[in-house]
Amino acid sequence: GAVVSQHPSWVICKSGTSVKIECRSLDFQATTMFWYRQFPKQSLMLMATSNEGSKATYEQGVEKDKFLINHASLTLSTLTVTSAHPEDSSFYICSAHTGFSSDTQYFGPGTRLTVL
Amino acid sequence: QKEVEQNSGPLSVPEGAIASLNCTYSDRGSQSFFWYRQYSGKSPELIMSIYSNGDKEDGRFTAQLNKASQYVSLLIRDSQPSDSATYLCAVNYGGSQGNLIFGKGTKLSVKP
Repeated sequence: GAVVSQHPSWVICKSGTSVKIECRSLDFQATTMFWYRQFPKQSLMLMATSNEGSKATYEQGVEKDKFLINHASLTLSTLTVTSAHPEDSSFYICSAHTGFSSDTQYFGPGTRLTVL
Repeated sequence: QKEVEQNSGPLSVPEGAIASLNCTYSDRGSQSFFWYRQYSGKSPELIMSIYSNGDKEDGRFTAQLNKASQYVSLLIRDSQPSDSATYLCAVNYGGSQGNLIFGKGTKLSVKP
């Protein structure tokens, strides 16, 4: 149980284009999903917290207009990197928890983004 | 500023030995504690959660929590080369949305 998937697993795009990453909870309903970014040899950095049906909460220093988050259903959250630049190249990982009775976060497999 | 501190390592142990990973946290209001394992190029996977003072055992893994000392540890018995990874300590400070604060991780290397 508690399986989280991400799509795509990797993507290469040209500078200036937008990239959408999907995060799905496969066997549970996720009231809250989290988006992290991890640069090589560094720890996870929380970008934003996504709640179903409401606006995402962004961490300090994360541009909400550049990283668009939509959590339209209890099983799907999307992160769109708009006008991507090479410095946005990173490993993007989502996680989800099952709700009020549990704060254990289960991670998706991650999406490696390379911006040329 | 809520912080989670871990020794970055690398921690090197021989195969079959006990690996001891440590983590300290800054806020006494912390409620839940987690250990994740992350292989290079992969996302973190949950090893254990612990909520109460004392030990919690799961197979070769034992998590230990001491809230008075604001300290949580992970022991890996009979370490195997496949245990070589970065181990992340994460703490929930009780935020309404269950946000976790992650340490930077300790890199463990188990030598055959």
